[in-house]
Amino acid sequence: AQKITQTQPGMFVQEKEAVTLDCTYDTSDPSYGLFWYKQPSSGEMIFLIYQGSYDQQNATEGRYSLNFQKARKSANLVISASQLGDSAMYFCAMRRPSGGYNKLIFGAGTRLAVHP
Amino acid sequence: DTGVSQDPRHKITKRGQNVTFRCDPISEHNRLYWYRQTLGQGPEFLTYFQNEAQLEKSRLLSDRFSAERPKGSFSTLEIQRTEQGDSAMYLCASSSSAGSTGNTIYFGEGSWLTVV
Repeated sequence: AQKITQTQPGMFVQEKEAVTLDCTYDTSDPSYGLFWYKQPSSGEMIFLIYQGSYDQQNATEGRYSLNFQKARKSANLVISASQLGDSAMYFCAMRRPSGGYNKLIFGAGTRLAVHP
Repeated sequence: DTGVSQDPRHKITKRGQNVTFRCDPISEHNRLYWYRQTLGQGPEFLTYFQNEAQLEKSRLLSDRFSAERPKGSFSTLEIQRTEQGDSAMYLCASSSSAGSTGNTIYFGEGSWLTVV
């Protein structure tokens, strides 16, 4: 069965420093997609970054990058130059590969606190 | 605002009452999803629509839950005879089946339900 594991319930980082949020996944299917979402206290799930299992390069979106290590089944999110507004819950998710649509399986999330 | 919108944002209801949530997806998106999120957990998939067809329902969606997307645009999620265990945030998301944009799933701000 597909599963997403986020082992860090909470993380804190100093403003302007980089932080890595861990995510490991389990699937036997060769084709899958991995997502990271940010959820501030308002509740909205904000899409950050996507990595396909066949993508050769690690995905990057501004200050966000995804450290994709396929053999280790990990997809860690790296946030560079942290800002106070980055304080939020962060969820890693995997797209169920079969069915042709984007059913997502989420991890339990990591709460990030950015300190000034 | 061209994002996914949900209404109402907050609902408090007495046990046994019916509630209905509405979701307006991004206009060009033909895929629509409902998820449920309880405190401290990641979202869990409830159901999926492609256009007006409901193609998958989770086992989490008991007989008291019904979702519709009558014209392939907005969707409603109704919960009948609410129970305290239904208290959660109900998230709507949408995506497109077209090309690489189908890899991105956009969520709304969610509808918080409290059953008292």
